[in-house]
Amino acid sequence: GAGVSQSPSNKVTEKGKDVELRCDPISGHTALYWYRQSLGQGLEFLIYFQGNSAPDKSGLPSDRFSAERTGGSVSTLTIQRTQQEDSAVYLCASSPTSAGTGELFFGEGSRLTVL
Amino acid sequence: QKEVEQDPGPLSVPEGAIVSLNCTYSNSAFQYFMWYRQYSRKGPELLMYTYSSGNKEDGRFTAQVDKSSKYISLFIRDSQPSDSATYLCAMERGNNRLAFGKGNQVVVIP
Repeated sequence: GAGVSQSPSNKVTEKGKDVELRCDPISGHTALYWYRQSLGQGLEFLIYFQGNSAPDKSGLPSDRFSAERTGGSVSTLTIQRTQQEDSAVYLCASSPTSAGTGELFFGEGSRLTVL
Repeated sequence: QKEVEQDPGPLSVPEGAIVSLNCTYSNSAFQYFMWYRQYSRKGPELLMYTYSSGNKEDGRFTAQVDKSSKYISLFIRDSQPSDSATYLCAMERGNNRLAFGKGNQVVVIP
């Protein structure tokens, strides 16, 4: 497809379980971002990948969160030992460049519910 | 104080009205200012971006940035029911990492 693809679109899990969320960016986009959108909190930056450089993990809320990007393309966000406060929509975005015009192309998100 | 403040209250207007949205921010280093539109259950999409202070117009949409007051605005003229969405202001922190406001849900009533 032409856009950013995320899976699963919905995930319900039990507290304490691990979850993996996948993002397939737009082909040729070198920059990839993960954001979290919680009710009443707006979008919160989590992590940023640019090419083969070390990722900027400054937004990850705890060490239970990690992400990787394989081959400069697909990315996986992993949340270990999920907590109820992790319930949110996790949005992935890509950009052809990290030059700061602020134009990100977002996927439709993965809605995570932790029971 | 959060970096970006956007009063998240919903806004209902009749079709054809002008919609006025605004955000304030605290970081004077911000140079790029964006407005994103998000339809229900969709990801945000870039509506407009402005570099530094000034106005930018695109059809029915006008974005204004006043860096001296750390204040940005979005105006939607002749609002349409299809404009019903959540509007998020955002500012670029470097490397396209964005700081977002909480968003305003706008409903345009036919």
